[in-house]
Amino acid sequence: TQLLEQSPQFLSIQEGENLTVYCNSSSVFSSLQWYRQEPGEGPVLLVTVVTGGEVKKLKRLTFQFGDARKDSSLHITAAQTGDTGLYLCAGAASNTGKLIFGQGTTLQVKP
Amino acid sequence: EAQVTQNPRYLITVTGKKLTVTCSQNMNHEYMSWYRQDPGLGLRQIYYSMNVEVTDKGDVPEGYKVSRKEKRNFPLILESPSPNQTSLYFCASSLGRAGYSEAFFGQGTRLTVV
Repeated sequence: TQLLEQSPQFLSIQEGENLTVYCNSSSVFSSLQWYRQEPGEGPVLLVTVVTGGEVKKLKRLTFQFGDARKDSSLHITAAQTGDTGLYLCAGAASNTGKLIFGQGTTLQVKP
Repeated sequence: EAQVTQNPRYLITVTGKKLTVTCSQNMNHEYMSWYRQDPGLGLRQIYYSMNVEVTDKGDVPEGYKVSRKEKRNFPLILESPSPNQTSLYFCASSLGRAGYSEAFFGQGTRLTVV
């Protein structure tokens, strides 16, 4: 069974601080996605990475896919209160419709 | 407006009473999935469908059934609900294969089984 371990599970920081969320597995994934979910809503896609070593930037968010395609990280620079939410990584099992989610990281950014 | 619509949003039922949660998408997506979300466990895939009449088990299919008779609809059926199926359920659809294409999620169905 493929598993994705996210860390930390909870993070509470002050506005302006930087943070990194990690998503690790012992399995290889053919692609990895990061989603953000707000209370009462479904997750919304932030990014998809498919190539080992790939780095993608989305404004203050930087996503990295590990060289071996077993891990990923999300780095937020100068966090804002609007970044508060649940961040989920999700890995695709090759050639199937299966999507494996990590447990999620709840981020609280305080003003 | 492109969307995934789930109904109902909230449901309280009793153990053993069959129920169906509907899911409909208006984006002509081929892929659809059902997930349950429980605290500390993230989202876990129940069933997925890669096309009409093609469905397969996800990681936690026990106690659930699905059907995909038409492209836009993917209902989730609980034949005999039990309290351990109390959860927040999400339906999602995507144009391409899960993990490569953007998955669009419904707003969720909060199910309580007493």
